[in-house]
Amino acid sequence: AQKITQTQPGMFVQEKEAVTLDCTYDTSDPSYGLFWYKQPSSGEMIFLIYQGSYDQQNATEGRYSLNFQKARKSANLVISASQLGDSAMYFCAMREGKGSSNTGKLIFGQGTTLQVKP
Amino acid sequence: DSGVTQTPKHLITATGQRVTLRCSPRSGDLSVYWYQQSLDQGLQFLIQYYNGEERAKGNILERFSAQQFPDLHSELNLSSLELGDSALYFCASSVARDSIPSTSGNTIYFGEGSWLTVV
Repeated sequence: AQKITQTQPGMFVQEKEAVTLDCTYDTSDPSYGLFWYKQPSSGEMIFLIYQGSYDQQNATEGRYSLNFQKARKSANLVISASQLGDSAMYFCAMREGKGSSNTGKLIFGQGTTLQVKP
Repeated sequence: DSGVTQTPKHLITATGQRVTLRCSPRSGDLSVYWYQQSLDQGLQFLIQYYNGEERAKGNILERFSAQQFPDLHSELNLSSLELGDSALYFCASSVARDSIPSTSGNTIYFGEGSWLTVV
């Protein structure tokens, strides 16, 4: 069964430093998508970055990059030059499904709380 | 702003009551998803609609129902509410019914959520 694991319940990082949030996944489907979302204390779920299983390059979006290691089944989020506004909960998610029956449903990890120190 | 609009943002109601949560997807998105986020269960997929038809069902209780209308907006109906139904309910949308995982255009955007408190 598909599963997402985030092993870091909470992390601290100094402002302006880089931080890596870990995510491992389990699936037997060769075709899948991986997402990272940010949830600040206000509650909204903000899309950050996406990586497809067939994408050759690691995804990047501004200060966010995804360190995709397919053989290890890991999809770690790297945030460069952390800012105070990056303090939030971060969720890794995987799109479930097999081939044409893929529904687009997401399976989420438990999340990592990141606190940026000034 | 994700482009997904949810109303109401906050709702307090009593046990046994019924509420309706509303969602307008991003312009052009045909798929709508509902998720529930609670402290003990985390983020759980409830149901997906694509262009008016139910596409997938997750951990949705029988007391809950949803529909997607011809204008593509969706409503989630929660009835016979219990204290344990208190949660943050998200609507999300995407373009396609079936994902093509290698295409970043099929990403899923979430609304700001509806906070439901059952007292």
